[in-house]
Amino acid sequence: AQTVTQSQPEMSVQEAETVTLSCTYDTSESDYYLFWYKQPPSRQMILVIRQEAYKQQNATENRFSVNFQKAAKSFSLKISDSQLGDAAMYFCAYRRRQAGTALIFGKGTTLSVSS
Amino acid sequence: DTGVSQNPRHKITKRGQNVTFRCDPISEHNRLYWYRQTLGQGPEFLTYFQNEAQLEKSRLLSDRFSAERPKGSFSTLEIQRTEQGDSAMYLCASSLARPGVNTEAFFGQGTRLTVV
Repeated sequence: AQTVTQSQPEMSVQEAETVTLSCTYDTSESDYYLFWYKQPPSRQMILVIRQEAYKQQNATENRFSVNFQKAAKSFSLKISDSQLGDAAMYFCAYRRRQAGTALIFGKGTTLSVSS
Repeated sequence: DTGVSQNPRHKITKRGQNVTFRCDPISEHNRLYWYRQTLGQGPEFLTYFQNEAQLEKSRLLSDRFSAERPKGSFSTLEIQRTEQGDSAMYLCASSLARPGVNTEAFFGQGTRLTVV
């Protein structure tokens, strides 16, 4: 069975600084997707970034980038130039490549941003 | 259509009562998912529909839970004889999959259930 582990329950960062959230996963599949989702308080979960396992290049979306280490089964999220609006719960998630399969989430990391 | 809509947003019920939640997916999205999220945990998959067909159910979905998606549009999730352990946020998500198009899941704001 696939599992996703986020070992940092809470992280904090100051505005304009950089923070890295960690995620490890376990799977016997060779082709899959990895995601970071953001869940602000009392608001819906939104997709931050997606990585396809067969692509070696790390995904980037503006201030968000990932460090994908397939052999180590590691998938960290780096947030650069942190903003107050980045404060949220961040979930790492895994999905098999087959379309329609369910997401498997980690327990989440609560990120706080201070001014 | 601005996204996945879930109703109600909050529900408080007495133990033993039945509750029903509704999810309206993004128009044209043919896939619909239900997840449950308890405090301090990530969402856990419950069930999945493609159009009106329920294709997969998690072992978390006990026989007190039933989900439907008549006509492949909105979906309902019913919990019968609620228990305190059913208290959680119930999330709905939808996605579109057809030849040449495969979107990721878009989530609703969830229905928070409290069983007292």
